[in-house]
This record gives sequence, C-alpha cells and structure tokens, in this order.
Amino acid sequence: GAVVSQHPSWVICKSGTSVKIECRSLDFQATTMFWYRQFPKQSLMLMATSNEGSKATYEQGVEKDKFLINHASLTLSTLTVTSAHPEDSSFYICSARWTGNEKLFFGSGTQLSVL
Amino acid sequence: GQQVMQIPQYQHVQEGEDFTTYCNSSTTLSNIQWYKQRPGGHPVFLIQLVKSGEVKKQKRLTFQFGEAKKNSSLHITATQTTDVGTYFCAANTGNQFYFGTGTSLTVIP
Repeated sequence: GAVVSQHPSWVICKSGTSVKIECRSLDFQATTMFWYRQFPKQSLMLMATSNEGSKATYEQGVEKDKFLINHASLTLSTLTVTSAHPEDSSFYICSARWTGNEKLFFGSGTQLSVL
Repeated sequence: GQQVMQIPQYQHVQEGEDFTTYCNSSTTLSNIQWYKQRPGGHPVFLIQLVKSGEVKKQKRLTFQFGEAKKNSSLHITATQTTDVGTYFCAANTGNQFYFGTGTSLTVIP
C-alpha cells in the first residue's frame, strides 16, 4: 500500500514555456504533500509543503510565482513550473503523508530539461 | 530551512566491511527519519527515531538517536551489494521534513 504516482517521468520543454507535474496518492488520502528538488548526486531540497485545501508554504528562496503548487484534493497535488528556463532543469520529486503517519511516501520523480 | 549535515558524502567499502553514516543537526529535533535511495530510484523510508538515545535495529542495520536529539547514525554490518545507494537522514520539524546531505555508499564485490 501507500503508493504515490508522479508524472510525467521526464519532460523536455522550450525556454519560456510552462510545465505541470502531477503527484497522486493512489491508495490513501494525502493530507500533506511535499515538493523537493534534487540535483545530480545531491540531497533533496524542500521547495514547499502543501496541505489539502490551503495555500502551499514555500521555503525561503523558492519563488512562489515561478513554482505554482496546487493541492486541490486529498489525492492530487500539482507543481507548475512557469516560464521555465534552463536553470530550472532538475529532478523534481513529490512525497506525501497522512495525518498520524510520519512516513513520507515518494513519487518516482520528474526529470525536467529546459532547452 | 533546517540545516542537516551528513558525513561522509561518499563511502566505498569492500563487500563484507561495515559502514557508518552520521547525521548532525544544529537544532534539537523532535524525531529523525532515515531513507534509502537506490541509484535511479526514489527515497524509501527505513525507520523513525523519536526518543533520546534510542537505538533500533533492522537486521544488519543499526540506527541510533543521540542523547541531545541533535545527531543520529546508521551503521550497516557486513555490507552487501544490495546495500548500494544513498542514505539520507531527514529532520522532522513538525510539518516540514528536511533531508540531510546524504551519504552515497558503493559496495565493491
């Protein structure tokens, strides 16, 4: 149980376009979802925390207007990278948990390449 | 955000040797978790430590939480090739989870 599905697995886009990444909890209700960014062979950098039905809490240094996060339901959160630039190229990975369970369950990640 | 450092950053061991990674936080933690990420994969939860001085074991893996709840360690006895991956500690500060810098383990057969 506790499966988190993330897609797309990889996406290539042109500079200036927007990209939406979806994160779904398939068999549980995710009260909280987290979005991380990971550079090659580096750690996971927390970008934002989102609770269902409320605005996401962004970490310092993460642009809210650039990385739009929506957690409209208990099973879906989306991250939209707006007006993507080459420096936004990275591995983005979501995770989810439910109230009372401290474990994080991760999606398989999305490799974004901006040309 | 929370600063969580891990050492070493990389570790190469011969199969059968032991391995230890250390996790340090500048602040006291309510609890700490450990995750393993295989190459090309996503992090998978291993364990959570909550109590000061807590020690937990999972087969060849031993996890320890420091008395001051600012540091933690993961020790693997007699490593196997299946242990290859990056091990992360994660500090839970309430509603946020901050990951350590990670230790990448390579096991040489």
